[in-house]
Amino acid sequence: DVKVTQSSRYLVKRTGEKVFLECVQDMDHENMFWYRQDPGLGLRLIYFSYDVKMKEKGDIPEGYSVSREKKERFSLILESASTNQTSMYLCASEESGRSTDTQYFGPGTRLTVL
Amino acid sequence: SQQGEEDPQALSIQEGENATMNCSYKTSINNLQWYRQNSGRGLVHLILIRSNEREKHSGRLRVTLDTSKKSSSLLITASRAADTASYFCATVPYGNNRLAFGKGNQVVVIP
Repeated sequence: DVKVTQSSRYLVKRTGEKVFLECVQDMDHENMFWYRQDPGLGLRLIYFSYDVKMKEKGDIPEGYSVSREKKERFSLILESASTNQTSMYLCASEESGRSTDTQYFGPGTRLTVL
Repeated sequence: SQQGEEDPQALSIQEGENATMNCSYKTSINNLQWYRQNSGRGLVHLILIRSNEREKHSGRLRVTLDTSKKSSSLLITASRAADTASYFCATVPYGNNRLAFGKGNQVVVIP
């Protein structure tokens, strides 16, 4: 079974802090994704990566950056957290080399920015 | 960007009843997927149906796809309390490899 883990289930940070959310997958998937989920808005794609050191902007990249130094790890960085970044953050991975297929999600990190 | 739109947004049924959810989308697609999310957890993939398929089954799940109407339905037969969750449809627009999720459909199965 594919396993996607996220570094924290719950996180509380203060405005202006730098926040790191980490995601690790164990299935050697090339593709990894970061989403945020908000009530009434569903899942919105922040960034994704098709390979090590590669990244592409999703639909709402502003205020975020990402890092993919190793294939299994995809980090989401909030350079200076703001209250409007309070949300549920979901990481997902997907096998490459085929038309978009199943994505495997981590358990999510609920981030609160005070 | 969001494409799928689930209907109804919320559904409450008795255990043992069937639950039907619909999803509409706007552009041509490669495939459509359904995911389940239990409260406060990540999403779990349920089933994928390709654009050239009309119906697919997996256990108690039945998915249909009508590309002429740009809609899909998810049927859960003989529902159980454990089926209480949010259900999302997600489409892969034609020519685009990114999943576009709907806003979700909350299903509550009453024991």
